[in-house]
Amino acid sequence: EPEVTQTPSHQVTQMGQEVILRCVPISNHLYFYWYRQILGQKVEFLVSFYNNEISEKSEIFDDQFSVERPDGSNFTLKIRSTKLEDSAMYFCASSERSRGYEQYFGPGTRLTVT
Amino acid sequence: EDKVVQSPLSLVVHEGDTVTLNCSYEVTNFRSLLWYKQEKKAPTFLFMLTSSGIEKKSGRLSSILDKKELFSILNITATQTGDSAIYLCAPPKGNTGKLIFGQGTTLQVKP
Repeated sequence: EPEVTQTPSHQVTQMGQEVILRCVPISNHLYFYWYRQILGQKVEFLVSFYNNEISEKSEIFDDQFSVERPDGSNFTLKIRSTKLEDSAMYFCASSERSRGYEQYFGPGTRLTVT
Repeated sequence: EDKVVQSPLSLVVHEGDTVTLNCSYEVTNFRSLLWYKQEKKAPTFLFMLTSSGIEKKSGRLSSILDKKELFSILNITATQTGDSAIYLCAPPKGNTGKLIFGQGTTLQVKP
């Protein structure tokens, strides 16, 4: 069964460093998302991406964040200068359609900023 | 502001018990509601509900939506230890379908 994959599963980085989190969405899906979950808190929407551009972003998704689909399969989230408060689980999700269609989540990348 | 509230926040039952998890929502331009199960890591999709009063079933799990009263329930019958997880409900919002998650219900099923 097709699934969303993410790498790495765990990333430890020092404050101020850049990180790139990678995702391979399900192949026939057209809508891509990043969410994050700080330990003990709700899953929060970061950004959605469709047709090679950001379709919506949350207040959390500031200038330190960027997303890219560098080729036909990968979808990346870059954090330019990490802060301690960026420590969280980052989930990638993809959907065949938007507007209320089911999204399938990857296993997540645990980002630890020290 | 959009809001999703789940209750109870946590629940401890014994194997074989039946549980009912609640999700109430206030979301503009509501279209559907999704239920997910989160074990150690990623949320895994359970159900998508779009119409009031139509029960969706998958094995021992079932769910129903009430669009008039703005809530949904997830039932699990004959619970097993493998049902222990956090159950999340999330209505997609807007043209992008971003999910608005509740805080989840943590279910622990004891042997």
